[in-house]
Amino acid sequence: GQQVMQIPQYQHVQEGEDFTTYCNSSTTLSNIQWYKQRPGGHPVFLIQLVKSGEVKKQKRLTFQFGEAKKNSSLHITATQTTDVGTYFCADTNAGKSTFGDGTTLTVKP
Amino acid sequence: GAVVSQHPSRVICKSGTSVKIECRSLDFQATTMFWYRQFPKQSLMLMATSNEGSKATYEQGVEKDKFLINHASLTLSTLTVTSAHPEDSSFYICSASELYEQYFGPGTRLTVT
Repeated sequence: GQQVMQIPQYQHVQEGEDFTTYCNSSTTLSNIQWYKQRPGGHPVFLIQLVKSGEVKKQKRLTFQFGEAKKNSSLHITATQTTDVGTYFCADTNAGKSTFGDGTTLTVKP
Repeated sequence: GAVVSQHPSRVICKSGTSVKIECRSLDFQATTMFWYRQFPKQSLMLMATSNEGSKATYEQGVEKDKFLINHASLTLSTLTVTSAHPEDSSFYICSASELYEQYFGPGTRLTVT
C-alpha cells in the first residue's frame, strides 16, 4: 500500500532557529495533511494541501506541496519552545489517512 | 473546531477480558469514523474505517473478530477489544471528518495485564 516517509525522525534546535520536516512518497499523494501531536496528546490538524505546487502559510509555519505531488514540507521559522511536539504528515483520501512516521521536534530555550 | 470525545481515557484490564472504547462526535454528525492505534514514539496506524449503519472496513492484518467495531449512530462509534492480551496494550485513537478536516479524539490508553 501507499507508504509515506518522513525525515528527519528527530530534530533538536536552539530556540530561534528554523526547522523543516520533509514528507516523501514514491507514488502520487492524494492530499497532504499535516498534524501536530504534543507529548501525551492527540494529533491536531494543522492544514491540508491539495494542489500541485501549493504553498500555504500560518504565521511562522510554511507548508509546501511538491509539483509532482510526491513530497511535502513543513518549515517553521524562528522556533519557539511552544513548537515542541511531533509533526506528522498524512496522505489523505476520502478521510482515510496514511501517516508518516513523524518528526519529533525539541527546542532548547 | 469540531470536538471528538473518547471514553475511557485510560483503562487497565486483565488478560482475556474485553474492553469497549467509545468515540463520539459532539457537535457534528459523522457518517464515517476511523480507528487508529499508536505505539509509543511511533506513528498512527489505521486499523479500520467505521461506517454508520454498515460493517466496518478493516485494514490488512487487523483481525475483525478481535477488534469489533459498531457505528450505531451518526455520533457514536465503539471499538471492542475482545479477549485482550498484553500485546494489545496501546494508545487507541479515533477520528471523524467534517468537510476535509479530520478531528481526533483524545485517545484511550489500554494496558492489559
